[in-house]
Order: sequence, then C-alpha cells, then structure tokens
Amino acid sequence: AQSVTQLGSHVSVSEGALVLLRCNYSSSVPPYLFWYVQYPNQGLQLLLKYTSAATLVKGINGFEAEFKKSETSFHLTKPSAHMSDAAEYFCAVSDFSGTYKYIFGTGTRLKVLA
Amino acid sequence: DAGVTQSPTHLIKTRGQHVTLRCSPISGHKSVSWYQQVLGQGPQFIFQYYEKEERGRGNFPDRFSARQFPNYSSELNVNALLLGDSALYLCASSFDPADRGIGYTFGSGTRLTVV
Repeated sequence: AQSVTQLGSHVSVSEGALVLLRCNYSSSVPPYLFWYVQYPNQGLQLLLKYTSAATLVKGINGFEAEFKKSETSFHLTKPSAHMSDAAEYFCAVSDFSGTYKYIFGTGTRLKVLA
Repeated sequence: DAGVTQSPTHLIKTRGQHVTLRCSPISGHKSVSWYQQVLGQGPQFIFQYYEKEERGRGNFPDRFSARQFPNYSSELNVNALLLGDSALYLCASSFDPADRGIGYTFGSGTRLTVV
C-alpha cells in the first residue's frame, strides 16, 4: 500500500528565505506524487505533480520538487519565500488500487515571517 | 469555465440529523471523489464515482452514502450525524480517474459543523 509522510507539521521561514517542505513516500510500484496547497477556508490547489517523467518538477508560484527514488523523497522547495506563500501544504500519492484515490500526508503549515 | 462547485459552503447540524452535500464537477469531467478533512489532518478518501457507478469506498461507516447523477454531479449523504463528522468535505473532479497523471481538481469544500 502507498503512503506519504510529511516531516514537520509547522515550518517558519523569513520572507526571502528558502522554503523546504519534506515529503517521504512508501510505494511498491513507481509512484505518482502530488503537492497541493490549501489557503485558509479554501479547498486544495494543485501545485505540481510527478508522473515518472522528469525528476525535477516545476509548479506554479515558483515552487518545484525533486523526486529522489533512492531516498523515497519528494521535497517541495521555493528559493525565496513570499508572505503570500503562508498556507498549508499537502503531499499526496496516487493509490494503485482500482479507485486511484489520493492518500494525503498530514500537512505542513508554512508561516512566513516579515 | 467554472471549476468544481460545492454547496452549501457552510452548514450547522445537530447530532442525529441527516445532511446532504452537493458537488458539480468541471464540465466534461465524468468522475467525482469525496474526501473528509478533519481539522488539523489531511483529507481522507470517502467515495469515488465514475460514469455514475461507485468505483471505491474508503473506511467510513454505512451512515455515509453517495450517488452520481446523469449530469455527473454528485451528492454525499450522511445519516445520524455525530460530533466527529464535523469536518471540511471536499469534492474532487477528474475526467477519468484512471488517468492518474492529470491531478484531481478540488472544490472549495463544505464546512460541516455538528453540534
């Protein structure tokens, strides 16, 4: 069965600093991985996805993530944090059962300090 | 184009009552999935429908049920509400869930509070 683990339920960075949000996955087959962002009182917005093509994936709002099979990781990064990046971020893996449901991590709340 | 539309946006119900949540997928999408997001946690899968048939069900009690209509909109029903059912209920839309590389599009959710 697939699963994801997000290390760090809360991350604080200064405006302009590097953002690094960690996600490790478990999968017996090549995974499809996603990062979603959730702003307060809103639904989930897709940031980027890994679908076994390029290992470095670029998404919206300057975010990118690198798939590392040897480390079973799919960490999300952004070179320079902006105040508007403050939100909750979820890593997800697509299940390989017939439902193709998403299995989400517990989320990381990003706080950006002025 | 309209995105995934969910109604109502907020709802307050009393324990033991019944609730119906609604979702309209993106035009052309034939699949709807429902997720429950309890405060402080990641979304948990409840149901998936494709072409009006149930594709899968998560680990939720039989009090939870859903259906998909010919126009691909969907309803999630919860009977005998418990305090623990208080959550944000999210609807996800896709053309075909088997196309796993696309990524689901989520609605803004319905915030259900059970008192």
